[in-house]
Amino acid sequence: KAGVTQTPRYLIKTRGQQVTLSCSPISGHRSVSWYQQTPGQGLQFLFEYFSETQRNKGNFPGRFSGRQFSNSRSEMNVSTLELGDSALYLCASSSLAGTGSGEQYFGPGTRLTVT
Amino acid sequence: TQLLEQSPQFLSIQEGENLTVYCNSSSVFSSLQWYRQEPGEGPVLLVTVVTGGEVKKLKRLTFQFGDARKDSSLHITAAQPGDTGLYLCAGGLNQFYFGTGTSLTVIP
Repeated sequence: KAGVTQTPRYLIKTRGQQVTLSCSPISGHRSVSWYQQTPGQGLQFLFEYFSETQRNKGNFPGRFSGRQFSNSRSEMNVSTLELGDSALYLCASSSLAGTGSGEQYFGPGTRLTVT
Repeated sequence: TQLLEQSPQFLSIQEGENLTVYCNSSSVFSSLQWYRQEPGEGPVLLVTVVTGGEVKKLKRLTFQFGDARKDSSLHITAAQPGDTGLYLCAGGLNQFYFGTGTSLTVIP
């Protein structure tokens, strides 16, 4: 079974620009969660989607948004990029949704650098 | 403020030594997971514990969930260089909350 894939793997953007990251979950998984990982804050939960609906949202500003398509693929968008948005963005897929249980399988991440 | 605190933050040991990593919180979790992450990759799930007092073993790794489901420990016996990586605990509530991480280096 293919794992979680994320594209692109690396991205360099300028302050003020916007960016869209993509995540394809494991086949059959309907839950996709997004996390931001930085050296200072560690792994922080952004949001979770299940069956095209946002189930949970972390404590991030409205510049961070996402969506999920009918094939469970998910995209995350960050508008008006700031230097502090530089991070590794990880997505995780699961067969369960929003309960804080079940097993999460992570993709390799997208390394975003904002200059 | 982190919901889950891990200790130690950094650990450098010689091959063959034993070590324990701790994951502590004041919150009760429905489950506790441990992951290992290598540079440039996403975390890989090692184990899930769901019952207070539960102990699980994965080869040389032993995981324990506290009786009150607020804390957990990871013990590695006879560490090997292949164990090097960032170890993360994650507690399940309405979402997963990740610990601060323990960076382990095993020196050959």
